[in-house]
Amino acid sequence: DAGVIQSPRHEVTEMGQEVTLRCKPISGHNSLFWYRQTMMRGLELLIYFNNNVPIDDSGMPEDRFSAKMPNASFSTLKIQPSEPRDSAVYFCASSFLAGGSGANVLTFGAGSRLTVL
Amino acid sequence: GDSVTQMEGPVTLSEEAFLTINCTYTATGYPSLFWYVQYPGEGLQLLLKATKADDKGSNKGFEATYRKETTSFHLEKGSVQVSDSAVYFCALSLNTGKLIFGQGTTLQVKP
Repeated sequence: DAGVIQSPRHEVTEMGQEVTLRCKPISGHNSLFWYRQTMMRGLELLIYFNNNVPIDDSGMPEDRFSAKMPNASFSTLKIQPSEPRDSAVYFCASSFLAGGSGANVLTFGAGSRLTVL
Repeated sequence: GDSVTQMEGPVTLSEEAFLTINCTYTATGYPSLFWYVQYPGEGLQLLLKATKADDKGSNKGFEATYRKETTSFHLEKGSVQVSDSAVYFCALSLNTGKLIFGQGTTLQVKP
């Protein structure tokens, strides 16, 4: 298995532009997570999906952020319009979550490093 | 709310020294507990886990014991190597599947 695939690995854009980050989870996994990592705030959970349905989006910073999971093999995180404070590494992770189980082992992608000028 | 607190870093040790990174948690119910490691430029990788009280997780010489009475899951290794230099994250998982991470502790091991 190729693991969790994220693209692009690096993105540099200007303030106000739209940014779309993409994630392909591991085949057979039923949960997908988007995290943001910065020096100041550490690792923050933005949103997670179970069986393609958003379960908890309370970590999404504001309306400029949106995430979709149209099918089990693809998810996007979109920022529109982007701002310099959105600069961070964005990680996607996936897992297979059995019903009622808390032992949720995540496999992370390599991350997308976003720089907004 | 549910949370994880780790000791502040960076932790700097000489090779072959003993390592402890403290982790405590607050959670409703009975979470599963994890340690993840992040090497430079990479995503997080699972290091070890424990799913119930008194369980001990272990991997690559690292160990951590789920202590319900002290709500702790401290990471230990008897003899660190330069290659162990990384950022270590303690985390808890709830029955909902949500995984909550601590702020991370940077470990630097010098030869």
